[in-house]
Amino acid sequence: AQSVTQPDIHITVSEGASLELRCNYSYGATPYLFWYVQSPGQGLQLLLKYFSGDTLVQGIKGFEAEFKRSQSSFNLRKPSVHWSDAAEYFCAVGAGSNDYKLSFGAGTTVTVRA
Amino acid sequence: EADIYQTPRYLVIGTGKKITLECSQTMGHDKMYWYQQDPGMELHLIHYSYGVNSTEKGDLSSESTVSRIRTEHFPLTLESARPSHTSQYLCASGDREYGSPLHFGNGTRLTVT
Repeated sequence: AQSVTQPDIHITVSEGASLELRCNYSYGATPYLFWYVQSPGQGLQLLLKYFSGDTLVQGIKGFEAEFKRSQSSFNLRKPSVHWSDAAEYFCAVGAGSNDYKLSFGAGTTVTVRA
Repeated sequence: EADIYQTPRYLVIGTGKKITLECSQTMGHDKMYWYQQDPGMELHLIHYSYGVNSTEKGDLSSESTVSRIRTEHFPLTLESARPSHTSQYLCASGDREYGSPLHFGNGTRLTVT
């Protein structure tokens, strides 16, 4: 079965600074990988996804993520953070030959200070 | 722009009551899912469905039940609510293509007193 680890529970970053959120996955083959964002009181919104091709993928709101097979990682980055980026971020892996399901990490809460 | 709707958004109910959390989607997706979310924890899959009359239990054991009589509707029922059921419940849907991302509703926050 697949699993996801997000090592950072909480990150605080200054507005305008860069942001990197870590995600490590465990799965025997190349999985489908996703990043979602959740604002308070809301559901999860898809930021970006990867399953083949270019290992650097672009998403919405200026986010990008890089897939590194050798490190089993799929880290999320943003060059310049805005106050509206304060939210909780979830990494997810989709896998299962006949039984496709998404497994999520525990999330990283991002606080943006002025 | 939400195409997946959950009601109610918030529910406070006493122990022993029967409750149904509603989830509807307008995208015609075959796959639908229920996740349970607690602070600081990963989302846990409790039920899923790959189409009408198809329901499966997820990775996390749950006392709830689900039904899928119509493609667009995937309600979750607790026959007798307990304080341990206090949590946020997220409904999601996805189309049949393998690897498709999931689309989430805004969730129902349930408190059982």
